[in-house]
This record gives sequence, C-alpha cells and structure tokens, in this order.
Amino acid sequence: QSALTQPASVSGSPGQSITISCTGTSSDVGGYNYVSWYQQHPGKAPKLMIYDVSKWPSGVSNRFSGSKSGNTASLTISGLQAEDEAHYYCSSYTSRTTLVFGGGTKLTVL
Amino acid sequence: QVQLVESGGGLVKPGGSLRLSCAASGFTFSAYYMSWIRQAPGKGLEWVSYIFNSGSTIYYADSVKGRFTISRDNAKNSLYLQMNSLRAEDTAVYYCARLSDPWYFDYWGQGTLVTVSS
Repeated sequence: QSALTQPASVSGSPGQSITISCTGTSSDVGGYNYVSWYQQHPGKAPKLMIYDVSKWPSGVSNRFSGSKSGNTASLTISGLQAEDEAHYYCSSYTSRTTLVFGGGTKLTVL
Repeated sequence: QVQLVESGGGLVKPGGSLRLSCAASGFTFSAYYMSWIRQAPGKGLEWVSYIFNSGSTIYYADSVKGRFTISRDNAKNSLYLQMNSLRAEDTAVYYCARLSDPWYFDYWGQGTLVTVSS
C-alpha cells in the first residue's frame, strides 16, 4: 500500500492560483473516480474539500476545484487567501478495497 | 450536528494493548461505514481500517493487520479500535471518521493521541 505521491510543498501569493498534484496508479487514482482532498491546519482535524474527484461538499468555497487525468489527480486553489495556508492530502479508493492517502503537501501563502 | 468524539488514547509500553472508542452523534450511525485514520507526529495521514455499517465487512492496512481489530456497536452509536502488540511506530493521533457515498471521509473527530514508549 504505497502512499500516493504529492509534492512536499507549494507556494503562491495572495490572489494567485496554485495546483497540487496527486499521482497514483491504475489500481487507485486512475481506476476509480473516488479521489478526495483534505485540508489540515496545524493541530486540527482534516477537513473535506473535494470528493469524487471534482465535487464540492456543502460549505466549501468554489475557489477549490478538483480534476483527474490518467493516474494523476489535481487540486487547484484559485484566488489564494492567507487562510488557505495549510497541509493538503489526497485520498483514493484502491483495487484492494482499501483506502490510501498521499504524503501531503504544505501550501505556503507568501 | 454530526459529532465524533474519540477517547482511550494514552501512554503504553511496546507490546501492550489499548482500546480506542469513538462516540458518534447527530446522524444515523448504523447507516454509515466508519473508519480509523492515524497521523504520526509531524507526518502525514495513514488510513488504518474501515468497517461496513452492518459490521459484516472489515478491511485493514497491511501495517496493522493481525494486530488491530475494528468493531462497532450500532445500539451504542460507537466505533472501537482494539490495538494489540503495539510498536513504537504505532505512536500517532488516531482519528475516527465517517465514510460517505462511500469512499470519502466527510466528518472527523478531534483525535486521540496514542504513545507507545518504554
């Protein structure tokens, strides 16, 4: 059960857009439309931001959007705001009927 | 409102056991799959286990298979994680989370810290 691959860090200035990638295999990300994304601020529990690749939970800003191409899913945050600074994790269902997370990406808002 | 409250964490010696509990409220507990996820200090999230709403089907991460047992009591709206043969690498904050539709975690508890150390 190898973790999905995410960049360790990304950064952007307020108002800009950034994209975080999440690379897996055809047995997880590429095989199912069950990719979700979570935001975690220090000392807090994770919060669901995107589910089923590109759907928004109630209450989440549409500045957050998700997509997938092949074995790589992506989270895009547009109009960066200071409060977006956090760790972001992707997750996927797998062919082994298990779940797997990415290693996490630290977003810094400059 | 949906609430998940974990308890049972603490300090335990290597080889020891601990039982975590998660009290659920604000939703029909028996209708949802439930899961445990952990996060070692300064590290990322690691899925541990999930259980179907009826309790009939259970899956584990390879790292805990044979040592951890997930269970639930729908009458008590509670989820459990029995952890045996604990190792230093099991040290983490353990989160209880609700699985929805059915493969994303829409609600999380605040977590309970398990420290395995002599």
